[in-house]
Amino acid sequence: QKEVEQDPGPLSVPEGAIVSLNCTYSNSAFQYFMWYRQYSRKGPELLMYTYSSGNKEDGRFTAQVDKSSKYISLFIRDSQPSDSATYLCAMSGNNRLAFGKGNQVVVIP
Amino acid sequence: NAGVTQTPKFQVLKTGQSMTLQCAQDMNHNSMYWYRQDPGMGLRLIYYSASEGTTDKGEVPNGYNVSRLNKREFSLRLESAAPSQTSVYFCASSPLPRSQETQYFGPGTRLLVL
Repeated sequence: QKEVEQDPGPLSVPEGAIVSLNCTYSNSAFQYFMWYRQYSRKGPELLMYTYSSGNKEDGRFTAQVDKSSKYISLFIRDSQPSDSATYLCAMSGNNRLAFGKGNQVVVIP
Repeated sequence: NAGVTQTPKFQVLKTGQSMTLQCAQDMNHNSMYWYRQDPGMGLRLIYYSASEGTTDKGEVPNGYNVSRLNKREFSLRLESAAPSQTSVYFCASSPLPRSQETQYFGPGTRLLVL
């Protein structure tokens, strides 16, 4: 089993829809969970960061962590064409940092 | 405050040529990293430097060398480029070692090896 699994997509949604992205992981030592957004031909930029189970909200973005199931999610409400990007999950702990492969999202106007 | 900067933005090399990718950060971060990103492979760590004066291998170090010149600068060298090293290279930095803190990425260097 890979350390971090993320479905690469692509995922196409109409403008205004809710985008749901997920990652699963196998390393119980992971304690910190991040989501990065990467626009085409740009470097990844941090979008959300959390270290506990539960939900964390920031504007239209919600990050959800379920440590018991080793499962994290990112929800984007009222999606906009400007949300079209690749979203990478990342997690760290016990001197390990691992990234998912990224999930390409396209929001269609 | 420019964050993480990388030069060059794009480079074409012939097989066997050498080159150095430059990276600098102005956030006073201790740790710096070099990644490569390939389609279907995600980000893979080449080398990292937890602090000035130290460097360690990541997942895919073969064919690369690094130098942590000072706290700000971390360079990646390809001694004899191969087509398999065609990729997008990202430099990143973080305040603390990678187990604890998020990372800040540069804009990337696109390298094509013919």
